[in-house]
Amino acid sequence: EAGVTQFPSHSVIEKGQTVTLRCDPISGHDNLYWYRRVMGKEIKFLLHFVKESKQDESGMPNNRFLAERTGGTYSTLKVQPAELEDSGVYFCASSLQGGANNEQYFGPGTRLTVT
Amino acid sequence: QQPVQSPQAVILREGEDAVINCSSSKALYSVHWYRQKHGEAPVFLMILLKGGEQKGHEKISASFNEKKQQSSLYLTASQLSYSGTYFCGTGRSWGKLQFGAGTQVVVTP
Repeated sequence: EAGVTQFPSHSVIEKGQTVTLRCDPISGHDNLYWYRRVMGKEIKFLLHFVKESKQDESGMPNNRFLAERTGGTYSTLKVQPAELEDSGVYFCASSLQGGANNEQYFGPGTRLTVT
Repeated sequence: QQPVQSPQAVILREGEDAVINCSSSKALYSVHWYRQKHGEAPVFLMILLKGGEQKGHEKISASFNEKKQQSSLYLTASQLSYSGTYFCGTGRSWGKLQFGAGTQVVVTP
């Protein structure tokens, strides 16, 4: 069974540019999460999809971040325009069922560097 | 409120034991443990649930004290493969996890 995949693995962009990150969850997993780890700090929750619907987007930092999951399969996270503080590692995770009692499987992350 | 992990780092020799702690100021439904090696995906280790149930895929030992809102992960007879950064994630609602800052574990020969 293929795990969670993310693309690209690394991205270096200049301040003001746009970047789109992609996440492919484990097949059949309706729940998809985005998290972010800024250098040296905790992994922080961004948002949670159930199929194509946003269940919880309380962690999205501002309106420069747009997440979509059209068709309930893969998801994209767009940052436009990027700022220096957006640098970090963006993780995607998926789970078969929602709720705090179910394991989430993480992808390897996309390392975003904004210069 | 993010959970607090301790220690921040630990170095141990192969075969030694270590304990990693995770505590929260809020009531928890569950505690999730992950291990991440550099540049790789965090790997799910186990979940500890209210009521004592545990779900996991590896031979890892852990405890969950609901009253104290604390969990401990026990690395017993450590192996070189145990090296990595361990994260605890606390679950309180729909699926959102709040993570600690991580504990870096280095196991030396």
